[in-house]
Amino acid sequence: GENVEQHPSTLSVQEGDSAVIKCTYSDSASNYFPWYKQELGKGPQLIIDIRSNVGEKKDQRIAVTLNKTAKHFSLHITETQPEDSAVYFCAAGTGGFKTIFGAGTRLFVKA
Amino acid sequence: DVKVTQSSRYLVKRTGEKVFLECVQDMDHENMFWYRQDPGLGLRLIYFSYDVKMKEKGDIPEGYSVSREKKERFSLILESASTNQTSMYLCASRSAGSTYNEQFFGPGTRLTVL
Repeated sequence: GENVEQHPSTLSVQEGDSAVIKCTYSDSASNYFPWYKQELGKGPQLIIDIRSNVGEKKDQRIAVTLNKTAKHFSLHITETQPEDSAVYFCAAGTGGFKTIFGAGTRLFVKA
Repeated sequence: DVKVTQSSRYLVKRTGEKVFLECVQDMDHENMFWYRQDPGLGLRLIYFSYDVKMKEKGDIPEGYSVSREKKERFSLILESASTNQTSMYLCASRSAGSTYNEQFFGPGTRLTVL
């Protein structure tokens, strides 16, 4: 079945450094790639998304890149801050009701 | 501020009990979803509803059922709880305007089945 693999499972960076989380999807029909951030005790919240007709999207310190040929997409966080510490999920969808989520990456930003 | 609320943050039940998890959204969204979240497995879709009284199976529907009698409320039912249903349950809602629309999640219910 459809699958989204996410790496690494845990990432620890120093405040001010960059963090990169990578995902690979299996369903070539996927055309929508959202990223969610889950803080402790809360539900996931959308932070950025990208559609398959775009290769890169940026929103302040956050950027996502998509390589459709390789079925890879990545989240880049620059100038990390302690409040960026959370669990991040990548996901892939085909525009329908089912979105396949990655296993999550726990990001620690050390002050 | 948009809101999805879930009836309980923590729930402890015994094997064989019938369990109801309630979710309410105040955004007039047509679509609602139930996921379970397990370490190393991410979020997996149990059931979804695209409109009132409509429901569809997700990827892991076995052992669960759902009810959507009103637009704002989506209930997840464990007919006979088992220990392998111990998990975090997340409800989400989404506007039907576009299937690329953001899903809004509730805070989750951590269910323990003893």
